[in-house]
Amino acid sequence: GAGVSQSPSNKVTEKGKDVELRCDPISGHTALYWYRQRLGQGLEFLIYFQGNSAPDKSGLPSDRFSAERTGESVSTLTIQRTQQEDSAVYLCASSLVLNEKLFFGSGTQLSVL
Amino acid sequence: SQQGEEDPQALSIQEGENATMNCSYKTSINNLQWYRQNSGRGLVHLILIRSNEREKHSGRLRVTLDTSKKSSSLLITASRAADTASYFCATEETSGSRLTFGEGTQLTVNP
Repeated sequence: GAGVSQSPSNKVTEKGKDVELRCDPISGHTALYWYRQRLGQGLEFLIYFQGNSAPDKSGLPSDRFSAERTGESVSTLTIQRTQQEDSAVYLCASSLVLNEKLFFGSGTQLSVL
Repeated sequence: SQQGEEDPQALSIQEGENATMNCSYKTSINNLQWYRQNSGRGLVHLILIRSNEREKHSGRLRVTLDTSKKSSSLLITASRAADTASYFCATEETSGSRLTFGEGTQLTVNP
């Protein structure tokens, strides 16, 4: 595709339910990132994948959060037993070179009621 | 705590004026980048400056980097209403593996 695609664009869920967010990176981009952005705040790093290297999971806020990536394509971010404080925009990005010139998707707005 | 901190938090100017935003960081870096965000969704990369560079230009954008002061500035010349957005600096630390973003500067350009 022409850019990074994220789905769904909006997700409303009830507290305690699991959610799965999807990211399709730009073809050929070896690095893929997930960030979280709460309203009016900066981006909080969650995780990145780089080629066949072990992902850097150091930003995941709790063991309720997990992410996978299939080869150098699609990634899913899963949040189990969602809490109200998980409400935020979840942004995915990809790049050719690690940590340089990231291309971002439009994000998934997650609302936990 | 955030590696990068932008200053000011908010800036309001008239069309045609120049806008200057600053970013300070705490540790040694490999590179510093500036991104723009419209309407709270996806960010757009503007410019990257490496630790061995002092100044870069791209169109109406000028970025400076002072590694001795651990600071960078983004200058937008001859601003337009379409420049209204949030601007974030991001740093890649030499000791770490992640790209860390600041809290952003909200720029409003009034027509």
